[in-house]
Amino acid sequence: EVQLLQSGGGLVRPGGSLRLSCAASGFTFKTFTMSWVRQVPGKGLEWVSTLIDSGSATYYADSVKGRFTISRDNSQNTLSLEMSYLRVEDTAVYYCVKDGHYDDSAYFGDFWGQGTVVTVSS
Amino acid sequence: DIKMTQSPSSLSASVGDRVTITCQASQDSNHYLNWYQQKPGRAPKLLIYAASNLKTGVPSRFSGSGSGTHFTFTVSSLQPEDAATYYCQQYENLPYSFGQGTKLEIK
Repeated sequence: EVQLLQSGGGLVRPGGSLRLSCAASGFTFKTFTMSWVRQVPGKGLEWVSTLIDSGSATYYADSVKGRFTISRDNSQNTLSLEMSYLRVEDTAVYYCVKDGHYDDSAYFGDFWGQGTVVTVSS
Repeated sequence: DIKMTQSPSSLSASVGDRVTITCQASQDSNHYLNWYQQKPGRAPKLLIYAASNLKTGVPSRFSGSGSGTHFTFTVSSLQPEDAATYYCQQYENLPYSFGQGTKLEIK
C-alpha cells in the first residue's frame, strides 16, 4: 500500500524558515518523480516544485524560486521541502505528491500525502 | 503558462443524474490532463489520468475524454458520495496548472 506520511509545518514568522518532510513507503521510491503542491484554505491548487527520480533535475514555480529547495534521499525514501524567506502568501496546506507510471509514460498526481499546514504570520 | 478554465464553477444534481464538467486549456495540452476529486479536509484523489485513463480502483461511472485544448469529465450516474470539488490539471508544460475547481452538490 502506497503511503506518503508528511511532517513538519507549523507557524512561522515572515522571513522565517521551515522544513517539510514526506516519508514514502509501499513503492520503489527511487524510481518515481515527486512533487509538492499547495492549497490556500478554501482556494484552488498550486503546483510548487518537482524533483525527478534520480534527483538530478528540479523545477520550481516562479512564486517560490530562489526561496524553496526540494530534495530527496533515495536511501531513506524521503522527500523534503526547505522553505526560506517565507511570506504571508506562502500560508497553505502543502501536499507531497507521487507520480504514476503507465506503459512507457509517467503521469502527475498518482498519490497525495495527507497534507501539512504552513502558517506564515507575525 | 497554460491556463486551465473549468466550467461550471458549481452545479447541483440529483442521485442518478449524468453530470459533465469541461476544462479548456489556453494552449495545447496534448493528452496530459488529470481529473481529481477533493472532499473537505482531505487531499485530492486522482480519478482520471492522461485525459481518459481511469485510475485502478476508481468506480467506472467516472470517465474522461478530450485532447489538445478541450477536455470533458463525466459522472454517468451520480451517487451521494460524489459530492466534492473536482479539479482538472495539465502536466504537459511546467508550470503545471489546475483549473479553479467545480463544486458538485447533491440535491
